[in-house]
Amino acid sequence: DTGVSQDPRHKITKRGQNVTFRCDPISEHNRLYWYRQTLGQGPEFLTYFQNEAQLEKSRLLSDRFSAERPKGSFSTLEIQRTEQGDSAMYLCATEFNFGYTFGSGTRLTVV
Amino acid sequence: DAKTTQPPSMDCAEGRAANLPCNHSTISGNEYVYWYRQIHSQGPQYIIHGLKNNETNEMASLIITEDRKSSTLILPHATLRDTAVYYCIVRGANQAGTALIFGKGTTLSVSS
Repeated sequence: DTGVSQDPRHKITKRGQNVTFRCDPISEHNRLYWYRQTLGQGPEFLTYFQNEAQLEKSRLLSDRFSAERPKGSFSTLEIQRTEQGDSAMYLCATEFNFGYTFGSGTRLTVV
Repeated sequence: DAKTTQPPSMDCAEGRAANLPCNHSTISGNEYVYWYRQIHSQGPQYIIHGLKNNETNEMASLIITEDRKSSTLILPHATLRDTAVYYCIVRGANQAGTALIFGKGTTLSVSS
């Protein structure tokens, strides 16, 4: 257990459905990141929060994706109208001083 | 894009030292070298980081060349549990709040 919790661990959804993932960070870590990882690739940056403010978004974050971090605590990542290409591991990480702490990720399979 | 180059794979015998190289020829003066590893089905795990001097912690040692254009992560006594993908990343000292950029890393296979 890294201290960063992600829920669910696995999600299978039909193409076109909406899905939402949750990340509960280490409480004193005010910087939170979302990454996506496909098979055989390193994690790819999606978006970054400083407390509740979303400060950076990757061009990978299409308009079907939205992320929130209300009150600077937990964060959610929603994907609308899922496509097969969205199948991936979605990782949440928090940062304090140096180094990220990652959660174990949510594996999404779109069928 | 990642600013580092790593071999795609390496093998190591259990109990031997694993030396994982990384090239970062365009590294800037204020950029640190970070190493993370990712064990199958888990998120990446921080290992170590350094700027100029060699660093050691309970997990590994980091050797950075004098010109800082390359580095080596050393696992002194590799075990089967060290089988993972190892990522070498460069990041500026003042870049807290900026994304770590991962490449494809090196897949280390430790065998008995």
